[in-house]
Amino acid sequence: GIQVEQSPPDLILQEGANSTLRCNFSDSVNNLQWFHQNPWGQLINLFYIPSGTKQNGRLSATTVATERYSLLYISSSQTTDSGVYFCAVEASGGFKTIFGAGTRLFVKA
Amino acid sequence: DAGVTQSPTHLIKTRGQQVTLRCSPKSGHDTVSWYQQALGQGPQFIFQYYEEEERQRGNFPDRFSGHQFPNYSSELNVNALLLGDSALYLCASSEPSLGTDTQYFGPGTRLTVL
Repeated sequence: GIQVEQSPPDLILQEGANSTLRCNFSDSVNNLQWFHQNPWGQLINLFYIPSGTKQNGRLSATTVATERYSLLYISSSQTTDSGVYFCAVEASGGFKTIFGAGTRLFVKA
Repeated sequence: DAGVTQSPTHLIKTRGQQVTLRCSPKSGHDTVSWYQQALGQGPQFIFQYYEEEERQRGNFPDRFSGHQFPNYSSELNVNALLLGDSALYLCASSEPSLGTDTQYFGPGTRLTVL
């Protein structure tokens, strides 16, 4: 089945710094989503982005489907950005969503 | 507009027991997926329900079963509980006919098996 790899696994930032999170996937996909999981376990939608570029405030994402990767950019990080960021894909021809292992982000004040 | 809701919030069971978790999808959504998230890991797909039928299943044993009702709400049943079934169980809903397959997640049910 499709493999999803996220990097880096862990990231510590000083407040105000910028970062880039990467998601590689091994096969063509119907869709790709980025989520932020807060300390209480709630998964919050960030982007639905099977291809192209989107921006929402300090966050933006780019998916290059032909090269099978997606990037999530966080600018001017804040302590509230801390948590786990997941990339999730649905492989073409199916309805099964596969999550990566996540990137654990800690933003220091 | 209510989001995805799940009940109960927390649950403690003993090995061998059976459990039923419940999910109400976001208004207007007809597709419900269930996930298991062990501590420190990403969510693992259990199955997806659409039009009251299981449409796709992940690598979970038959002890895990589900149901979708005509109002699109769903249940996840786990029989013969094992210690390894302790996890956060997440429900997500979507409405693919809207042109995107964006999944919206509920707050989860935290199951502890003793």
